[in-house]
Amino acid sequence: SAVISQKPSRDICQRGTSLTIQCQVDSQVTMMFWYRQQPGQSLTLIATANQGSEATYESGFVIDKFPISRPNLTFSTLTVSNMSPEDSSIYLCSVEEPALSYNEQFFGPGTRLTVL
Amino acid sequence: AQSVTQLDSQVPVFEEAPVELRCNYSSSVSVYLFWYVQYPNQGLQLLLKYLSGSTLVKGINGFEAEFNKSQTSFHLRKPSVHISDTAEYFCAVSDGRYKLSFGAGTTVTVRA
Repeated sequence: SAVISQKPSRDICQRGTSLTIQCQVDSQVTMMFWYRQQPGQSLTLIATANQGSEATYESGFVIDKFPISRPNLTFSTLTVSNMSPEDSSIYLCSVEEPALSYNEQFFGPGTRLTVL
Repeated sequence: AQSVTQLDSQVPVFEEAPVELRCNYSSSVSVYLFWYVQYPNQGLQLLLKYLSGSTLVKGINGFEAEFNKSQTSFHLRKPSVHISDTAEYFCAVSDGRYKLSFGAGTTVTVRA
């Protein structure tokens, strides 16, 4: 299975600033995903990031707030822009193994963001 | 569209006792089902998955789950838990396209 790393592992930020989270995979994958996990809640898909195309955002999430880059098949970034305390969450990236057809996803360790 | 309901938000259990975590799903098409575990301050790890075939699925760390199509359920069980099983458990469903839908999660707390 793919090994996924995220940077930073945690951060404390001031409101109004932006934070870029990096996701690195040890193998080439077609589909990468970004999730948000608000305190005490489940995972919510923010967007799907495919290499060479614009990210596809889920309802309630917009590119201006969560711009995503996917420059190659092993790397993606998620930016949380103009942060407010409501953005305090764990942000997780995941990948879908290209050889599998049933959506098994492997997750990174997450980035724990606190906005003051 | 599919959705997942985890019927128990918190499950306290004593060490070496059995545990069952309940998961029901709704979908208009055939589904793939997953259980993930999230240990404190970590990401998600796949416990087990149902794709097709035998309805009893065995996973890692002694967990198993049974797929029941008529009841649209995929309950997770372990006959004897350890302190190290204290974690958040998520049931998830996929319709075979890219999107996974997660349940709200069940917090399992194992006490000595």
